Amino acid sequence: DAGVIQSPRHEVTEMGQEVTLRCKPISGHDYLFWYRQTMMRGLELLIYFNNNVPIDDSGMPEDRFSAKMPNASFSTLKIQPSEPRDSAVYFCASSLLAGAPGTQYFGPGTRLLVL
Amino acid sequence: DQQVKQNSPSLSVQEGRISILNCDYTNSMFDYFLWYKKYPAEGPTFLISISSIKDKNEDGRFTVFLNKSAKHLSLHIVPSQPGDSAVYFCAARFSGGKLIFGQGTTLQVKP
Repeated sequence: DAGVIQSPRHEVTEMGQEVTLRCKPISGHDYLFWYRQTMMRGLELLIYFNNNVPIDDSGMPEDRFSAKMPNASFSTLKIQPSEPRDSAVYFCASSLLAGAPGTQYFGPGTRLLVL
Repeated sequence: DQQVKQNSPSLSVQEGRISILNCDYTNSMFDYFLWYKKYPAEGPTFLISISSIKDKNEDGRFTVFLNKSAKHLSLHIVPSQPGDSAVYFCAARFSGGKLIFGQGTTLQVKP
C-alpha cells in the first residue's frame, strides 16, 4: 500500500490567499484525521471524519478553516483567507476502527508558509 | 489547556544507555496511551501503546510504564541507539478514537 498521500508537500503563499491541502487515506480505512504541528503546541487535532462524516471539528481554529471528505478516498483542508499565524506543518492520518487501538497512519505532511 | 504534557522539550543520552521519556495527563477518561516517533520531514509513526488497565507493556527495546494514580507514563528505550534520535510524541486516546498529543520530546542519542 502507498500509505497516506498528501499534496502539496510544501506551500508558500501570501496572506489573504486561499490554501487547499489534499489527502488520500489508506484504502479501506474508515477514519481520517487532520492535524497541525507547531513548535508551541505540538500536534493539534483539527477535525476527524468517520465514514466520510465529520465527527469532531472542535479543534478547527476559526471559520477561516474548513474540511471536506466527499468520498472515502479524498479529503481537503481549506484555509481562506490565510494568515501568517497559519504557518505550520499539516498532517493527515487515517485508521481502521477494527485496528489496534489508537494506531493512526500519518502522511508526510504539508509544510505551509504564509508570508 | 493541555490535557497531555511532555515537559522536557529535549533529551540527550549516550549510545547504549537508557532513554527515559516522560508524559503527564490530566483526564481520567483516556482508555489508551500511545507513543509515536517522528523523523524530520516525515509523518509520525506508531511505536508502542498501553491500555489504561495495564501498568506495563514491552516490545523489544521499548517499554511503556503507566502510573494511573500519578497520571504519568514513561517510555524506556534500552539500549539506546543513534537511529532512535527523533521526536517522540506521547498521545492519549478517548474511547471514540480521538487522540490528544503532547508537544513532543526531541531525543538525541550520541554515538
